[in-house]
Amino acid sequence: EPEVTQTPSHQVTQMGQEVILRCVPISNHLYFYWYRQILGQKVEFLVSFYNNEISEKSEIFDDQFSVERPDGSNFTLKIRSTKLEDSAMYFCASSEANRGYTFGSGTRLTVV
Amino acid sequence: KQEVTQIPAALSVPEGENLVLNCSFTDSAIYNLQWFRQDPGKGLTSLLLIQSSQREQTSGRLNASLDKSSGRSTLYIAASQPGDSATYLCAVKGGGSNYKLTFGKGTLLTVNP
Repeated sequence: EPEVTQTPSHQVTQMGQEVILRCVPISNHLYFYWYRQILGQKVEFLVSFYNNEISEKSEIFDDQFSVERPDGSNFTLKIRSTKLEDSAMYFCASSEANRGYTFGSGTRLTVV
Repeated sequence: KQEVTQIPAALSVPEGENLVLNCSFTDSAIYNLQWFRQDPGKGLTSLLLIQSSQREQTSGRLNASLDKSSGRSTLYIAASQPGDSATYLCAVKGGGSNYKLTFGKGTLLTVNP
């Protein structure tokens, strides 16, 4: 069964540093997403991406965050100047229009 | 703004019992509803997807129902097993141009041998 692949599985970074989280969505999917889950809290939406541009973003997704599809297979989330409160599990997902989402196994980001 | 609530927050049952997990949502203009399973510290595994025009979906021992007009869904697990122990998440995909998923906080299920 096709999978969404995320790397790395765990990243530790110093406060103030920039991190890039990487995802390879399912190849025939057109919609891509980033979600995050702070420990003990709900999974929350960050951003959706379609046709090489952001289609929707949450209030969490401020100027500190950016997404990119640098080539035909990768989808990245960049977090600039990380803060302690950015520590969370970050999930990438992809879907076809009006179909179910497939999530990756996540990247656990720890900011120290 | 869509809100999703899951009841109960936690449930502990003996092996073999049938059980029902509940999900409610505030805005009935949804495209679909998806149930996920999450093991501790792990990713989200899709269990069942119900489109807004459907009433239920079944996969093995799992059956999910959807009553869109009342904003409710249930996940029925038959003959529960210890391996079913996990957190079960309900998520709705909003209507209109909104394609994002809104999640509930989940039900932590423990099945005791």
